[in-house]
Amino acid sequence: EIVLTQSPGTLSLSPGERATLSCRASQSVSTNYLAWYQQKPGQAPRLLIYGASSRASGIPDRFSGSGSETDFTLTISRLEPEDFAVYYCQQSDRSLLTFGGGTKVEIK
Amino acid sequence: EVQLVESGGGLVQPGGSLRLSCTASGFIFGGYWMHWVRQGPGKGLVWVSRINADGRTTAYADSVKGRFIISRDNAKNSLHLQMNSLRAEDTAVYYCARWGLGSGIYGLDYWGLGTQVTVSS
Repeated sequence: EIVLTQSPGTLSLSPGERATLSCRASQSVSTNYLAWYQQKPGQAPRLLIYGASSRASGIPDRFSGSGSETDFTLTISRLEPEDFAVYYCQQSDRSLLTFGGGTKVEIK
Repeated sequence: EVQLVESGGGLVQPGGSLRLSCTASGFIFGGYWMHWVRQGPGKGLVWVSRINADGRTTAYADSVKGRFIISRDNAKNSLHLQMNSLRAEDTAVYYCARWGLGSGIYGLDYWGLGTQVTVSS
């Protein structure tokens, strides 16, 4: 089973700042199968990025994904008030999914 | 508009059973793989199970293997999760989600709002 480790656990930033979230895999992940989700309290997760770097429909271009093999990054270029949430990475290996533990982006 | 609506959650005693359902609309249900994902109280997302488009192949997380059964009825646009031998650690919100490959998306592109399952005596 591929384990995903997200860091930091919590990121305290102010609106307008840049957020950089890390997702490291215990073994190589196909870039096709690395996704990022955003979850706000009391809501279902929302797909942000798939294929490591493709934005899902309706996702603003301040969100970007990058990386390959075992190191992946989600970047939010300028935080808007609605971006404060928990973010999860997810990989698919032989159709078995695993999620990272999440990074909470909170208002400083 | 794509919609996924879960139902069937509730309070059940340890060792009991529960059957969750997910009703899909707004897309060709039989063209997509489907997944169940759960989230314990204050915890992160945990993948539970998946089923391919025609229902012939399934997969499970080790934590539920042998206790949970995923199935689907494409004629009724419905997905199910039969949960047996429930344990306290199965307490979570259970989400059904669509794997977007049918639309060229390698990710869970639509999610339901979830249904709460509580296992307690």
